[in-house]
Amino acid sequence: EDQVTQSPEALRLQEGESSSLNCSYTVSGLRGLFWYRQDPGKGPEFLFTLYSAGEEKEKERLKATLTKKESFLHITAPKPEDSATYLCAVQQQGAQKLVFGQGTRLTINP
Amino acid sequence: GAVVSQHPSRVICKSGTSVKIECRSLDFQATTMFWYRQFPKKSLMLMATSNEGSKATYEQGVEKDKFLINHASLTLSTLTVTSAHPEDSSFYICSASKAGSYEQYFGPGTRLTVT
Repeated sequence: EDQVTQSPEALRLQEGESSSLNCSYTVSGLRGLFWYRQDPGKGPEFLFTLYSAGEEKEKERLKATLTKKESFLHITAPKPEDSATYLCAVQQQGAQKLVFGQGTRLTINP
Repeated sequence: GAVVSQHPSRVICKSGTSVKIECRSLDFQATTMFWYRQFPKKSLMLMATSNEGSKATYEQGVEKDKFLINHASLTLSTLTVTSAHPEDSSFYICSASKAGSYEQYFGPGTRLTVT
């Protein structure tokens, strides 16, 4: 059974304090690993898709990396507007559905 | 591109009534749409997957007679919660995928409260 575990559950940082969020996964044949951002009361917003180990993608202050067992979302010099819940999900080859982790609630204090 | 809308954003209904939630892909054709349920401070739980023109595939434990899903066109899917009860109160979110793409684009969600 596919499993996704995110850590930490919650993270508080000061503005400008860089850190990383972890997503560990177990899947039989990975098609893709997805990162989303979700604000309270809103639907998830797509950030990145990673397909193979060693792949990296960047968007503004965010950088996602992938290994065969885990993915990291690195946040560089975060701002208060980066506060949100970050969700990781995996998709198995041949499947349409996503399996989500429980998310990391990130708070950036000014 | 890849904008998904949901209507209504919030709905309150009485126990025993039915409520319909619409999910639309505004700027692309969605061959596949998904319906999720999310409890407070919890992650998304997939309820069903629907391909245009086909019957929806429900996840284990989801009552297909209670949660009716229709995907009649490439831009519209509906979720009808029949004979709603307070335990059906939740945040319902849809997502949509383009043909040949793996990414899912999510709608803004619908907050359902059953009194």
